[in-house]
Amino acid sequence: LAKTTQPISMDSYEGQEVNITCSHNNIATNDYITWYQQFPSQGPRFIIQGYKTKVTNEVASLFIPADRKSSTLSLPRVSLSDTAVYYCLVGDIPSPGGFKTIFGAGTRLFVKA
Amino acid sequence: DTEVTQTPKHLVMGMTNKKSLKCEQHMGHRAMYWYKQKAKKPPELMFVYSYEKLSINESVPSRFSPECPNSSLLNLHLHALQPEDSALYLCASSQDGAGAGEQFFGPGTRLTVL
Repeated sequence: LAKTTQPISMDSYEGQEVNITCSHNNIATNDYITWYQQFPSQGPRFIIQGYKTKVTNEVASLFIPADRKSSTLSLPRVSLSDTAVYYCLVGDIPSPGGFKTIFGAGTRLFVKA
Repeated sequence: DTEVTQTPKHLVMGMTNKKSLKCEQHMGHRAMYWYKQKAKKPPELMFVYSYEKLSINESVPSRFSPECPNSSLLNLHLHALQPEDSALYLCASSQDGAGAGEQFFGPGTRLTVL
């Protein structure tokens, strides 16, 4: 599985757009890129997943360049409640054996008023 | 019902105790997972069950024993744990073999080993 590298922490202000970049130089052809959000003492929550180009849902966008060696999670207009740890994961496509998921170190995002 | 429930929320046990953690989901997911998370660290995968069979064991010590009695239920039996096993234990589930791979996590059980 590809190892991921993310910034340890980031600060932002309410209403700003936040971009968190994840490096995954050894990504394999079959690997998807997934992002999770985790608040203290809670389980991680799925944010978005993509394979290439751009994916957008109601909470975030995911930008993946053509070489797929990195990806950027974009959170539009963050609020105080977006203060959390954001994990980038690179893993296999679904298989009958389930997903072997390895979480990266995560990025602690702190949103200030 | 789109949630994963875990019981108990908190557990304190001695090194000689035997206890069990329970996880339940009713989303029809056929893959279920146990993770261990230490403070300020990412979750670490321990076990994966697929269609009620153990498919991945990440070299976890035998003092942790998983069990999947049916497709909705996942247990983690604990015996002779060490203080360094104190952590948040997370359960997750996902659709297996289809879909985009989203895992649904429970709130976790905070385990303290004395």
